[in-house]
Amino acid sequence: DADVTQTPRNRITKTGKRIMLECSQTKGHDRMYWYRQDPGLGLRLIYYSFDVKDINKGEISDGYSVSRQAQAKFSLSLESAIPNQTALYFCATSDYRGANYGYTFGSGTRLTVV
Amino acid sequence: SQQGEEDPQALSIQEGENATMNCSYKTSINNLQWYRQNSGRGLVHLILIRSNEREKHSGRLRVTLDTSKKSSSLLITASRAADTASYFCATDARGNNRLAFGKGNQVVVIP
Repeated sequence: DADVTQTPRNRITKTGKRIMLECSQTKGHDRMYWYRQDPGLGLRLIYYSFDVKDINKGEISDGYSVSRQAQAKFSLSLESAIPNQTALYFCATSDYRGANYGYTFGSGTRLTVV
Repeated sequence: SQQGEEDPQALSIQEGENATMNCSYKTSINNLQWYRQNSGRGLVHLILIRSNEREKHSGRLRVTLDTSKKSSSLLITASRAADTASYFCATDARGNNRLAFGKGNQVVVIP
């Protein structure tokens, strides 16, 4: 099994629908992150969490919400999807020492909003 | 805002040649990291260099960091077709506790 698992891998949804992207990890890391990737824009941080009781907004949190259900699970929700949320979404984890260690990424969820 | 800005954006080289990519950033950092992404897949951590380090090696990878110029370079020596990927630099700015990624460099190694 992968260290960081994202589901679903691909999803097509309609404008206005609610959708949840899920992430689970077996690394035992405290820190978890959601990024989105758009062509030519690199990765942008949506939300991050340093432990179960800690949730922080990233640079592009509008239109998104998250839930940290357990140390190993961090889900991202789009309450009412819109076409410009079409992107590749990545979950990542890092050790509590965070700053001095690399992130482990999931394989991504390709979301298309029509 | 993006901390890292890679240069050049796209690079095409012959197998066996060296590939060099640069990254600049704007604020003081704890460390700078490089990641590889194969088409449409998750990013893979390659190497981390701390702010008090100037050069680091890992296999065929060599990373340099110049904090006075706020820049870093990634050198891949003796490139292979399997090195074809996008390469991202990411900075951990002091006080942020999270990474900011650049837009990426696409490298194509021609067999």
